[in-house]
Amino acid sequence: GAVVSQHPSRVICKSGTSVKIECRSLDFQATTMFWYRQFPKQSLMLMATSNEGSKATYEQGVEKDKFLINHASLTLSTLTVTSAHPEDSSFYICSASGLAGYTDTQYFGPGTRLTVL
Amino acid sequence: SQKIEQNSEALNIQEGKTATLTCNYTNYSPAYLQWYRQDPGRGPVFLLLIRENEKEKRKERLKVTFDTTLKQSLFHITASQPADSATYLCALDLDDYKLSFGAGTTVTVRA
Repeated sequence: GAVVSQHPSRVICKSGTSVKIECRSLDFQATTMFWYRQFPKQSLMLMATSNEGSKATYEQGVEKDKFLINHASLTLSTLTVTSAHPEDSSFYICSASGLAGYTDTQYFGPGTRLTVL
Repeated sequence: SQKIEQNSEALNIQEGKTATLTCNYTNYSPAYLQWYRQDPGRGPVFLLLIRENEKEKRKERLKVTFDTTLKQSLFHITASQPADSATYLCALDLDDYKLSFGAGTTVTVRA
């Protein structure tokens, strides 16, 4: 149990375009989903927290108009990187929590490697 | 400000030995601490959670201790195997189920 998927696993786009990343909890209902960014040899940095049906809460320094998060259901959250630039190139990882009996644990997706040319 | 430090970026050990990783934190009073494993190009995988009122927890060849006085957690991999080679992250809880991660320690187990 506690499987989280992400799609796509890898995306290359041109500067100025928008990219959507999907995060799904496959076998449990996620009360909360989190979006992280990870640069090479660095730790995970939390970008935002989202709960189904409500607006996402963004961490300090993260532009909410650039990183649009939609959490439409208990199993799906999407992150859209708008007007992407080369500095947005990174490894984006989502996680989900809410598995019964393990509510304090986050289960991570496999990540999405974004390269902006 | 809150800070999490994990010992040395890399740890190289011989197969069969015990790897010991350290996670120290300051300006925190976490209710629990978690350890994750991350392989290159992959998302972290949950290993163990230990709560502030627990001193030690085990799972197969893994053992975690939590000393809230020292503000430190130790993570042990006993009888290490090459398949244990990965980066190990410690994470502390913040408010609202958020986690703050350390930078990780990369373990390489030599056959």
